[in-house]
Amino acid sequence: EDQVTQSPEALRLQEGESSSLNCSYTVSGLRGLFWYRQDPGKGPEFLFTLYSAGEEKEKERLKATLTKKESFLHITAPKPEDSATYLCAVQDVSWGNRKLIWGLGTSLAVNP
Amino acid sequence: GAGVSQTPSNKVTEKGKYVELRCDPISGHTALYWYRQSLGQGPEFLIYFQGTGAADDSGLPNDRFFAVRPEGSVSTLKIQRTERGDSAVYLCASSPGHRTSGDPTDTQYFGPGTRLTVL
Repeated sequence: EDQVTQSPEALRLQEGESSSLNCSYTVSGLRGLFWYRQDPGKGPEFLFTLYSAGEEKEKERLKATLTKKESFLHITAPKPEDSATYLCAVQDVSWGNRKLIWGLGTSLAVNP
Repeated sequence: GAGVSQTPSNKVTEKGKYVELRCDPISGHTALYWYRQSLGQGPEFLIYFQGTGAADDSGLPNDRFFAVRPEGSVSTLKIQRTERGDSAVYLCASSPGHRTSGDPTDTQYFGPGTRLTVL
């Protein structure tokens, strides 16, 4: 059964204190792994798609990496505006449609 | 620049009532998804439309839930005989369609959601 597990559940950082979020996944075949950001009361906002092990993508202070079993979202020198819940999701290549299976998210708080 | 819009933003109803939730996708997007998100959880897939047809409704929890997309654009999620356990945020997402975008994963873009509360 396809599964996504994110850790930690919550993370509190000081402004400028770099850290990483983890997403472990189990799928029969990975079509893509996604990172989204979700602010309170809003829908998920797309950040990255990773397609194969070894791939990396960057956007401002965020960098996402992928191995065959997990993905990391590295946050470098975070700012208070990076505070949000970060969600990881996967698509299984065996599915005909592109539905996403999601983790529970990591709630990130960055203190000034 | 229109993103995905959903109405209403909030809906409070009484147990046993019927509700309709509306989703306006990004113009030109052929694929549309409904998800449900409970507090502290990730979104849970409900149904997928490609064009006008429901290509996968395997996530609908029971036959009280139904969704339509009659013209291949706007979609309505309908819930009959609502129960307290239906309370959640209902999210809609649209995507170009992987054959259109050339992206095999067909990135999904989400609306703000409708928060449904069943009293």
